[in-house]
Amino acid sequence: AQKITQTQPGMFVQEKEAVTLDCTYDTSDPSYGLFWYKQPSSGEMIFLIYQGSYDQQNATEGRYSLNFQKARKSANLVISASQLGDSAMYFCAMREGQRDTGGFKTIFGAGTRLFVKA
Amino acid sequence: DADVTQTPRNRITKTGKRIMLECSQTKGHDRMYWYRQDPGLGLRLIYYSFDVKDINKGEISDGYSVSRQAQAKFSLSLESAIPNQTALYFCATSAAALAGPWDEQFFGPGTRLTVL
Repeated sequence: AQKITQTQPGMFVQEKEAVTLDCTYDTSDPSYGLFWYKQPSSGEMIFLIYQGSYDQQNATEGRYSLNFQKARKSANLVISASQLGDSAMYFCAMREGQRDTGGFKTIFGAGTRLFVKA
Repeated sequence: DADVTQTPRNRITKTGKRIMLECSQTKGHDRMYWYRQDPGLGLRLIYYSFDVKDINKGEISDGYSVSRQAQAKFSLSLESAIPNQTALYFCATSAAALAGPWDEQFFGPGTRLTVL
């Protein structure tokens, strides 16, 4: 079973509008972290935002926010005021557990390609 | 200068050849990782190392080996390359977070490997 599911292979958004990229996850571990990464066409992986399973508030980093709904096991990325430079592949990832339980493994979703239109 | 570097950035090799991908970091992190990326599959963990004497298999370690020569260096070897190892390979590093059991990973620029 997929542990990280990104159901949108591709998304289009108009410049200056907001866009939500979906991510659902599956874990039985009460302690985990959720990450979003951006991969532009140049190939590098850029860390965007992080949410811990025990965090009470949704994470925000500039134009990025994470809509964390723990009961639904979803961690959607919201990009406000989209820019042309936001066109890239976006990956949701989950890091589970603790070292003594064999954790600290990061699992990535298949990604969503975002196209920002001028 | 980049904190996490990978060499080579691109490599084309033939089936059966031995190849080594190298990763160096100046971040002072104790943890290092190797991932491969295939289209439609995201990144998958090959090997990870929490310190020089600690190396662990990841999700897809068959056909690969690693060496942690120093805290700052972690190399990935393909002893006998095969075409389905054609992929984009990423090295990553992390340091234990102070506030929780998870830690942010910093990625290198990637190595694009083609096995003919």
